[in-house]
Amino acid sequence: DGGITQSPKYLFRKEGQNVTLSCEQNLNHDAMYWYRQDPGQGLRLIYYSQIVNDFQKGDIAEGYSVSREKKESFPLTVTSAQKNPTAFYLCASSMQASGGGEQFFGPGTRLTVL
Amino acid sequence: GQQLNQSPQSMFIQEGEDVSMNCTSSSIFNTWLWYKQDPGEGPVLLIALYKAGELTSNGRLTAQFGITRKDSFLNISASIPSDVGIYFCAGQPTLTQGGSEKLVFGKGTKLTVNP
Repeated sequence: DGGITQSPKYLFRKEGQNVTLSCEQNLNHDAMYWYRQDPGQGLRLIYYSQIVNDFQKGDIAEGYSVSREKKESFPLTVTSAQKNPTAFYLCASSMQASGGGEQFFGPGTRLTVL
Repeated sequence: GQQLNQSPQSMFIQEGEDVSMNCTSSSIFNTWLWYKQDPGEGPVLLIALYKAGELTSNGRLTAQFGITRKDSFLNISASIPSDVGIYFCAGQPTLTQGGSEKLVFGKGTKLTVNP
């Protein structure tokens, strides 16, 4: 089946530790995105990538890092510098490298910092 | 950054009722998208709109791209319990207005349907 997978579904980490969230897509989409969602809030863009080996900061990139070594993969690392990392993280992809357009989302990873 | 105003924030309705929600922007958008999110899941694309004035249906859902290109609405007819969830609008600003190509999301409308 074509789609976007995120793993794990639930993630717990101790304060001060880095953690990496996985996002894989087999839709052959050029662009991939990471969003953060907090209760009662809309989606806020963390990072996005329009092409392999290139990515841009979104609106709330501080404390996060990404890589795009393969077209189908866009992992997000939540570093210890992120002051309030507990949130629901969503990965998305879109066909057009120009961005925007129809974005398709994965099932999300809920990160809890203990 | 650009913002979308989505209203209402929440709705409590009886099964069988019709529902209407909308999004407005101060900027011109060239794409409007409507998503539904179930608790603990990722948003699912419901309807995509690409032309001003466009009216598109998907089953009991109908969405329209406003003539001014600054608004869009979503209607759900004859609601059922599985319509429960959060509905998000999203728009792609036009580059001529200085907007980026990234989508801008509304904060969502939480829909509760009482059986």
